[in-house]
Amino acid sequence: NAGVTQTPKFQVLKTGQSMTLQCAQDMNHNSMYWYRQDPGMGLRLIYYSASEGTTDKGEVPNGYNVSRLNKREFSLRLESAAPSQTSVYFCASTLAGGEYGYTFGSGTRLTVV
Amino acid sequence: AQRVTQPEKLLSVFKGAPVELKCNYSYSGSPELFWYVQYSRQRLQLLLRHISRESIKGFTADLNKGETSFHLKKPFAQEEDSAMYYCALNPGNTGKLIFGQGTTLQVKP
Repeated sequence: NAGVTQTPKFQVLKTGQSMTLQCAQDMNHNSMYWYRQDPGMGLRLIYYSASEGTTDKGEVPNGYNVSRLNKREFSLRLESAAPSQTSVYFCASTLAGGEYGYTFGSGTRLTVV
Repeated sequence: AQRVTQPEKLLSVFKGAPVELKCNYSYSGSPELFWYVQYSRQRLQLLLRHISRESIKGFTADLNKGETSFHLKKPFAQEEDSAMYYCALNPGNTGKLIFGQGTTLQVKP
């Protein structure tokens, strides 16, 4: 009964370093999403994948890339981290149209120094 | 423009008092709206979907298309209701949720 699993839970990076945030879901959901959560700004969509083999940009994609590795896994990569990317990152998944709502992962708290 | 607005950053009430968390939306089509809750340092959880018209943990929310609102209400607040609450819009059944800024509910003993 894992739902959506994100790794790592915490990470500190130096400016310019790269890293990949991992996300996996075991609910056979078609669609997966990456959001960032910042104080006073709510959650903003970075990238999403409507189905296996497709990805598309959300509201704030700059500085990020994604890979939908298979139906279960959707990773987010920061190629050259910047302090502005300090945030909490949430992965979510849902059935195709989202009418039943999202299932969220527990989040990754990333600090870029 | 598609937008969700939660005008209150913080709502502080005493235990047993009524609660209303405000949510207004801007969307030209038929809206699909949700409330999510995030307890301290936990993942976001779905609280309500407007299409199911259910009551979860004593909370209800009614869609008012005339006022473009989807306020979350509870008649008697409990301390365990203290959390961050997000209103979200699913535009055109795309699954790309648009979230409001969030409201922190603080229930004092």
